[in-house]
Amino acid sequence: GDSVTQMEGPVTLSEEAFLTINCTYTATGYPSLFWYVQYPGEGLQLLLKATKADDKGSNKGFEATYRKETTSFHLEKGSVQVSDSAVYFCALSSSSGYSTLTFGKGTMLLVSP
Amino acid sequence: DGGITQSPKYLFRKEGQNVTLSCEQNLNHDAMYWYRQDPGQGLRLIYYSQIVNDFQKGDIAEGYSVSREKKESFPLTVTSAQKNPTAFYLCASSPGQGNSEAFFGQGTRLTVV
Repeated sequence: GDSVTQMEGPVTLSEEAFLTINCTYTATGYPSLFWYVQYPGEGLQLLLKATKADDKGSNKGFEATYRKETTSFHLEKGSVQVSDSAVYFCALSSSSGYSTLTFGKGTMLLVSP
Repeated sequence: DGGITQSPKYLFRKEGQNVTLSCEQNLNHDAMYWYRQDPGQGLRLIYYSQIVNDFQKGDIAEGYSVSREKKESFPLTVTSAQKNPTAFYLCASSPGQGNSEAFFGQGTRLTVV
């Protein structure tokens, strides 16, 4: 079945550091890929998405590129802020019709001033 | 405002009791989902519904029940058969076939006392 693997956290960075959170997936066909962010005590918010190979999703300074050859969708940001501290989830939906999302276990990011 | 509303935000249940979590959306989405979130385990799918009066079990449906009598509503009942119900429950919706981008509610934290 489909699966998503994320790097384990927490990831601890100083403000203005470069961020990478790795995400790899296993799926049949051509899934859509997503990054969601969760702030403490809240639901998930869509951060960015990509629906086909080589697409780059971007939002609020975050980027991720859909790499089919390496089955990866790594999240990057050039300069993190304290307000970026949250849990980040990588997810996929399979390419066939109605589909549910399959999530990774999440990666906590902690940014210090 | 369009969105998904979950209630209550916090819920306490005595052992042996059934409780129902509410989820309402005004996004006119066809599909709705219930996920359970436990620390370090990511999100796990409980039930989902693609159209009114139809729903399917997810990965961890045992001890839970749902109904979908209206497009806008997808309540989740946690029954006394659920052995470990303490968790954070998230409801989501998506437009439907061909578009699985999910929008999430703010969650309900259920605690068994």
